[in-house]
Amino acid sequence: GAGVSQSPSNKVTEKGKDVELRCDPISGHTALYWYRQSLGQGLEFLIYFQGNSAPDKSGLPSDRFSAERTGGSVSTLTIQRTQQEDSAVYLCASSSNSGSSPLHFGNGTRLTVT
Amino acid sequence: EDQVTQSPEALRLQEGESSSLNCSYTVSGLRGLFWYRQDPGKGPEFLFTLYSAGEEKEKERLKATLTKKESFLHITAPKPEDSATYLCAANAGNNRKLIWGLGTSLAVNP
Repeated sequence: GAGVSQSPSNKVTEKGKDVELRCDPISGHTALYWYRQSLGQGLEFLIYFQGNSAPDKSGLPSDRFSAERTGGSVSTLTIQRTQQEDSAVYLCASSSNSGSSPLHFGNGTRLTVT
Repeated sequence: EDQVTQSPEALRLQEGESSSLNCSYTVSGLRGLFWYRQDPGKGPEFLFTLYSAGEEKEKERLKATLTKKESFLHITAPKPEDSATYLCAANAGNNRKLIWGLGTSLAVNP
């Protein structure tokens, strides 16, 4: 079946611009995660959605970052007023529950802020 | 503090030369230890979940084992296509609290 789909695969933007990253999870997966991966650093948790519950935003690095999930499916991560330090690969993952089911990742969006 | 440490950071093997990757963890209340493979430009691909000490899982040339302090990913007679970064993550209560290692970059030369 179809895996997690992310778009765009690459995004180059100028400092100060807003960007939107999209994630389409595996059908039927109720849990959705956003992570950030920078060179030489581990996966950094950003935000988590589970069903209709309030999202866990504890990993968002600043108030310039926000995310929403519409209809329990597609999610959008928005970064406002981008900074150079936002350059990274943004990974989306989904799982069938939030317990201990494995996460399934998309191929990420590589964001470059110039 | 919950922590996951992977070693070595990088490993270069000749084709057919078996070896092991290590994932040491200090997590209270471990609820699962995940292994992933990540190819350049791709997202991590799920390999195994281990839940309790003594558990082993195998897939082709890979075998993952778990003790109370560490997990090993054994690679038997590796091929060049096994070249990738291998990541481990410990579930410290639920998937929102996954603790990730920095990975081992494996290169297998033909």
